[in-house]
Amino acid sequence: QSALTQPRSVSGSPGQSVTISCTGTSSDVGSYNYVSWYQHHPGKAPKLMIYDVNKRPSGVPDRVSGSKSGNTASLTISGLQAEDEADYYCCSYAGVFTPFVIFGGGTKLTVL
Amino acid sequence: EVQLLESGGGLVQAGGSLRLSCATSGFTFSDYWMSWVRHAPGKGLEWVANIRQDGGDKYYVDSVRGRSTISRDNAKNSLYLHMNSLRDDDTAVYYCARESPLSPRAFDLWGQGTVVIVSS
Repeated sequence: QSALTQPRSVSGSPGQSVTISCTGTSSDVGSYNYVSWYQHHPGKAPKLMIYDVNKRPSGVPDRVSGSKSGNTASLTISGLQAEDEADYYCCSYAGVFTPFVIFGGGTKLTVL
Repeated sequence: EVQLLESGGGLVQAGGSLRLSCATSGFTFSDYWMSWVRHAPGKGLEWVANIRQDGGDKYYVDSVRGRSTISRDNAKNSLYLHMNSLRDDDTAVYYCARESPLSPRAFDLWGQGTVVIVSS
């Protein structure tokens, strides 16, 4: 299986909204509503931001949202803040055989 | 405090071995599936291996199967990954990750990672 496809970088100004896409196939993103998103500040532990396409864990603000259409999932961050600048990775469940999950290549979000 | 802390990485020659460790605290370790995920330079994240709560089931990505062994010690709240016959493409930051009980193979807690560099 190939990695999910994400844009290398996106940017936005404080207060704006940005959307990061994550394109897979009918064998992963398109087959399961088990897409998760992770925020990673270099040198720190990655953090779960979204699971099951659009569910937020406790502590993640509601300006972070997720969606999916067909083989493409999306992460939207509204009301951009400086601390949102980080790398973001999508991940999809890929079935009962290994590898169980496929990650994206990552997107660098820059807050201008 | 709920946390995962990896150790054991380093510089190793191709063909060598390493044992990575992940010390956990702040939660009931024996209640969770645990995984190792790695991040190679210039690439995306890659799931490497996981292990059931009681250690009874273990799974590996094809590229490490036969060369690596995941294990856990629930009495010590610790996870391990023993890697043999290391290759250049094993160079990566290795993360210990807790699998969420809320969603299949989502990872709700991660460590900060330990760096493995394989030199040829």
